[in-house]
Amino acid sequence: EDKVVQSPLSLVVHEGDTVTLNCSYEVTNFRSLLWYKQEKKAPTFLFMLTSSGIEKKSGRLSSILDKKELFSILNITATQTGDSAVYLCVVSGNTPLVFGKGTRLSVIA
Amino acid sequence: DSGVTQTPKHLITATGQRVTLRCSPRSGDLSVYWYQQSLDQGLQFLIQYYNGEERAKGNILERFSAQQFPDLHSELNLSSLELGDSALYFCASSVDPMRGKVYNEQFFGPGTRLTVL
Repeated sequence: EDKVVQSPLSLVVHEGDTVTLNCSYEVTNFRSLLWYKQEKKAPTFLFMLTSSGIEKKSGRLSSILDKKELFSILNITATQTGDSAVYLCVVSGNTPLVFGKGTRLSVIA
Repeated sequence: DSGVTQTPKHLITATGQRVTLRCSPRSGDLSVYWYQQSLDQGLQFLIQYYNGEERAKGNILERFSAQQFPDLHSELNLSSLELGDSALYFCASSVDPMRGKVYNEQFFGPGTRLTVL
C-alpha cells in the first residue's frame, strides 16, 4: 500500500529559528511530490518536485527531493509567526495523490 | 482567494440522509478534485474529473458519487450518511490535470464543513 510519512508530527520553535520538515514515501511508480501549507483554511501550494537533487526555493522556504532514499525535506529559515501552519506532503504514483498526516509548526514570538 | 468556490459553507444533517456539495473551479481550469479531511484520517483524495469525465479515483466510498457538468462545475453527492462522514470536504481545481501523469499545482476552495448528527 502506498504511504507517505511526515515527521515530526508537531514542532514548536521561536521566531528566527530554522526548521526542517521531513517527508518519506513508499509509492509504486513515483511521479511527483508536492508540498502544501495549510493554515486555518484551505491548503496552498508551495512546491512540486519531480527530480532528485534539484532544490526549489521561494523566499525563506526551500525543498529538495531524494528519489533514491525516497524522501523530501522542506526547510524554512528565519521563521516568522506567519509560518505557523500544518505543512502537507503529497506524493503521486500509481495511486494518485497520497497525503501525509502533516507537520504542525508553531512559531512563537 | 483561490478563485474556487464551494457551497454550502456549513451543512448539518442527520444519519441516513443525502446531501450534495457544489464546487465551481477557477476560470479556465478543466480539472476538479474532491478531498475529505477529518481529524483522524487527515486529507484524503476522493476523485478527480477532467472536462466532464472521471479521471482518477481515490478512497471514495460507494455511497459517494460525483460528476462534472458541461459548465465545469462539479457536485459531490453523499448518501446514507453516517456519523463518520462528518468532515471538511474540499474541492480543488487545476489547469492541466496531468502532464505526463505528473500532478501540478491545485487551487483549493474554502471547503464545506459537513456535520452528521
